[in-house]
Formats: sequence, structure tokens, C-alpha cells
Amino acid sequence: AQSVTQLGSHVSVSEGALVLLRCNYSSSVPPYLFWYVQYPNQGLQLLLKYTTGATLVKGINGFEAEFKKSETSFHLTKPSAHMSDAAEYFCAVSEGTGFQKLVFGTGTRLLVSP
Amino acid sequence: DTEVTQTPKHLVMGMTNKKSLKCEQHMGHRAMYWYKQKAKKPPELMFVYSYEKLSINESVPSRFSPECPNSSLLNLHLHALQPEDSALYLCASSQPGQGASNYGYTFGSGTRLTVV
Repeated sequence: AQSVTQLGSHVSVSEGALVLLRCNYSSSVPPYLFWYVQYPNQGLQLLLKYTTGATLVKGINGFEAEFKKSETSFHLTKPSAHMSDAAEYFCAVSEGTGFQKLVFGTGTRLLVSP
Repeated sequence: DTEVTQTPKHLVMGMTNKKSLKCEQHMGHRAMYWYKQKAKKPPELMFVYSYEKLSINESVPSRFSPECPNSSLLNLHLHALQPEDSALYLCASSQPGQGASNYGYTFGSGTRLTVV
């Protein structure tokens, strides 16, 4: 069965600092991987996804993630945090068949201080 | 139109009430989903409709009854809920079987349900 582990329920950074949110996955087949962001009282917004091809994926709002098969990881990074990045971030995995059942990690809350 | 619209945004209902949550999308997606999200938890899959047919029911209690009247609409009928059913209910849609570039859900902003 596929699963996702997000290390750290909370990550705190200063504005302008590097953001690193960790995600490791488990899947018996080549996975499709996603990062979603959720602002308070909102739905989830897709930041980026890895399906096939280039392992470094660029997303919206300056975020990017690198698929590393050898490490079963898909960590999310942003070079310089902005106050508006404060939100909950979910990593998710799909086995990419049919209607895309997504399995979500437990989430990481990003806190950005001035 | 690249949105999934959910109504109402907030709902308070008693344990004996019957209410419905509605979800609409006009992106031509043929898979639609209901997720339940408790506070500080990830979304949990409840139901999947693929081409207007129920494909997955994740052992959801019968007090939740989904309906997909057409390819653009998804409803969740609620009856005799319990206080522990209070949560954010999220609808999502996607395009199945159209290649890797289409993978990924589009989520609505959710309905915040409170059962009293």
C-alpha cells in the first residue's frame, strides 16, 4: 500500500530564509507525487506535481521539489520565505491509475516570522 | 472556468436534520470526490465517482449518501449525523485516464459543517 510520511508537524523560518519541507513516500509502483497548500478555512491548492520526466519540478509561488527515487523522497523547497507562505502543506502520493486516489501525509504547518 | 464550487460554505445542523452539500465543476472532469477533513488532520477520502458511477466508498456510514446527478454536479446528502461528523467537507475533481499531465485534483474551498 502506498503511504506518505512528512517529517515535522511544524516548521518555523524567518522571512527570507530557505524553506525545506520533507516528504518520504512508499509505493509498490512508480508513484505520482504532489504537494498541496492549504490556507486557513480554504480548500487545497496544487503547488506542484511529479508524474514522469524531469525529477526537479517547479511549481507556483516559487516552490520546487525534487523526486529522488533512491531516497524515496520528494522534499519541497523555496529559496526565500515570504510571510504569505505561512500555511499547511500536504504531500500526497497516487499510483496514477484510473481516477487517482490520493493518499495524503499528515501535513506540515509552515510558520514564517518577520 | 477552472474552479470547483461548493455550497454552502458553512452549515450548522441538528442531529435530526436532513441537509445536502453541493459541488459543481465545469472543467469537463469525469471523476469527482468527497473528502472529510478534521481539524489539524489531512483529508480522508470518502467517495469517488468516475463517469457518474460510484467507484469507491471508503466504508462511510450510511448517514452520508452521495449522489452524482450529472457530470458537473456532486451532492452529499446528510441525515442523522453525530457531533463527531463536524468537519470540513471537501469536493474535488480530476480527469481520469488522460495522461500524466492531467494528474492532480482541483479542490473546492469546502463546506464547514457543525453538528449540534
